[in-house]
Amino acid sequence: AAGVIQSPRHLIKEKRETATLKCYPIPRHDTVYWYQQGPGQDPQFLISFYEKMQSDKGSIPDRFSAQQFSDYHSELNMSSLELGDSALYFCASSPRVAGEGTQYFGPGTRLTVL
Amino acid sequence: SQQGEEDPQALSIQEGENATMNCSYKTSINNLQWYRQNSGRGLVHLILIRSNEREKHSGRLRVTLDTSKKSSSLLITASRAADTASYFCATLYNFNKFYFGSGTKLNVKP
Repeated sequence: AAGVIQSPRHLIKEKRETATLKCYPIPRHDTVYWYQQGPGQDPQFLISFYEKMQSDKGSIPDRFSAQQFSDYHSELNMSSLELGDSALYFCASSPRVAGEGTQYFGPGTRLTVL
Repeated sequence: SQQGEEDPQALSIQEGENATMNCSYKTSINNLQWYRQNSGRGLVHLILIRSNEREKHSGRLRVTLDTSKKSSSLLITASRAADTASYFCATLYNFNKFYFGSGTKLNVKP
C-alpha cells in the first residue's frame, strides 16, 4: 500500500539559510499535518491543512510557512534557519472524511542546521 | 494545554513480562490513539479507542479509556525485544485538533 512520502530524507543547511520540505500524502487523504521532533522530545504539532486550507496551527515559528497544493502535497518552508531548528520533521496524512483522525506518518526529514 | 502526560517516562522489563503505560489528558476528546516510534523513525499507528469505548484489544495490545479520569492505559502482554520503542498517546478533540503526549520509552531486555 502507498505510504506518505517525504523528501528529502536528510538535509544539511547553514544558519540563516532556507529549507523546503515536501510531503506527498497517501492517495485520497485530504488532510496533512506537520510535526517537529527534537532529539529526545515528543512530536510537536506545527500546522495542518484540510482541502488545501490551513485548518489548525500549533507551535510553528513565524519564520516557517506551509501550504497544501491542488494535488494535496504539502511543503514546509523554513527561513532564517537557526541551530535549534535541527530536528526530525514528520508529515502525516489522514482521510478527514473518516472523522477519526488516524494519522499515517511519513519517514521524516532529518534537518541539521550547522 | 491539551497535551497529555505519560507515565512512566521510561520502562525497562524482561522479555515475556507485561508492560503498562499510562496517559492522561485535560479536555473532552473524540478519541485517543496510541502510536509507536522506533528510534529516529516515523510513528506507526497501533490502536484507536473512541470516547464511548472503555476497552479495546488488538493482538497483544490492550487499551483502556476512563473518560471520568481523563486517562488511558496501554498494556503490552508477553513483551518481546522487538517491542523496544517509544510509545505515544495522542488525543483528537474538536475532530480536528490532535496532540501527542510526552511518550514512554520502553526497553525490553532479551
